[in-house]
This record gives sequence, C-alpha cells and structure tokens, in this order.
Amino acid sequence: EAGVAQSPRYKIIEKRQSVAFWCNPISGHATLYWYQQILGQGPKLLIQFQNNGVVDDSQLPKDRFSAERLKGVDSTLKIQPAKLEDSAVYLCASSEAWGVVTDTQYFGPGTRLTVL
Amino acid sequence: AQSVTQPDIHITVSEGASLELRCNYSYGATPYLFWYVQSPGQGLQLLLKYFSGDTLVQGIKGFEAEFKRSQSSFNLRKPSVHWSDAAEYFCAVGAIGNDMRFGAGTRLTVKP
Repeated sequence: EAGVAQSPRYKIIEKRQSVAFWCNPISGHATLYWYQQILGQGPKLLIQFQNNGVVDDSQLPKDRFSAERLKGVDSTLKIQPAKLEDSAVYLCASSEAWGVVTDTQYFGPGTRLTVL
Repeated sequence: AQSVTQPDIHITVSEGASLELRCNYSYGATPYLFWYVQSPGQGLQLLLKYFSGDTLVQGIKGFEAEFKRSQSSFNLRKPSVHWSDAAEYFCAVGAIGNDMRFGAGTRLTVKP
C-alpha cells in the first residue's frame, strides 16, 4: 500500500514570495490533514478536510494561507505572501474515516520550507 | 482544550539499556492518547494508542506505554533500546470533537 506522498521535499524562498505544497493521501482515505511543525515543537494542525470539504481550519492563518482538496483526493496548501516565521516542516496526513479520533493518521515525509 | 507536556527535551541512553519517556496530559474528560516516532527526514509513525480498557498498551517495535489517570501520565517504555530507536518521540492527546494536540517532543540519542 502506497503511503502519503508530498512534494516538494524542500523549498527555499524569500519573504513575501508565494509557495505551494502538494499532498496525495492514501487511496480511499476520507480525511486529510495539514500540520505545521516548527523546529523544536510538535506538529500543529492547520486544516482538516473530509473528502473535499473543510472540517476545521480554526488554526489556519487565513490572511496568507489557503488550502484546497479538489475532488476529495489530492490537496494543495499555499502561502502567499510568506513570512520568516513560516519556516517549518509542513506535514500532510490522512486517515480512513472522519470524525473518529481513534482512527490512525498516516503521515507523509513533509516539506521543509525555509523563508529567507 | 487538551494539552500535552513532554518534560524531557533530550534523553541519551546506552544501547541495551531500558528507556522511559515521560508524557503528561491535561484534559477534563476521557483522553485518547498516542505515541508517535519521527526519524530524521521521515513523517511520523504511530507506535501505539490508548482509548480504554487495559492501561498497559503494547505497540510496535517492542514499545509499551502505561496510562495512569491519577497522575495524568502516559509514559512510553522499552526494556532494551537499539541504535535504530534514535529518533524524536511525540506524545499526543485527542478528544471527541477536537483535533489531536502534540507535545513538543523528546529527542532520543542512543550511545553505542
């Protein structure tokens, strides 16, 4: 079974530039998550999708971050414009069911973003 | 809202020695507790999880964790550490209707 795929693995940009990350969850998984992991901290949930609908985006900085999950499969996370404090690893995860906190989340390898 | 504290930022143990990583949680109702491991350049992998029942939970790679409600703890243990266990370990707490909250992590170094 293929895991969660993410690209690119690394990205370096200057502040005020735009950047986009892509995630392909495990086939058939209904729920998709984007997390931000700042160096020295645990992952923090940014946004959660069930199929192609947003379930929770309460911690997403909506003035600069946006995300979509077209057709309930792949997802993209965009930052525009980027700030220095956005430097982090962006993790994508998926789980089979929705609303089931006990359901295992499977994580991709992440995209390491450096904003100069 | 729930929260997690991992008191140890970095732990070093010798290969073959036992290991215990500490995790304390804060949540008013029944917590759902998880331990994840993150190797360099890798995503997080679930080691084990606790929802109810037996308070001693067995996981993958020889890890176990014990839920102690009276101490609000969910410590991770392994009787004999291998060099390949060197990684970052995250404790997390989830709840119905709420997202999963992660601790800041404990970095494990294994000495030969």
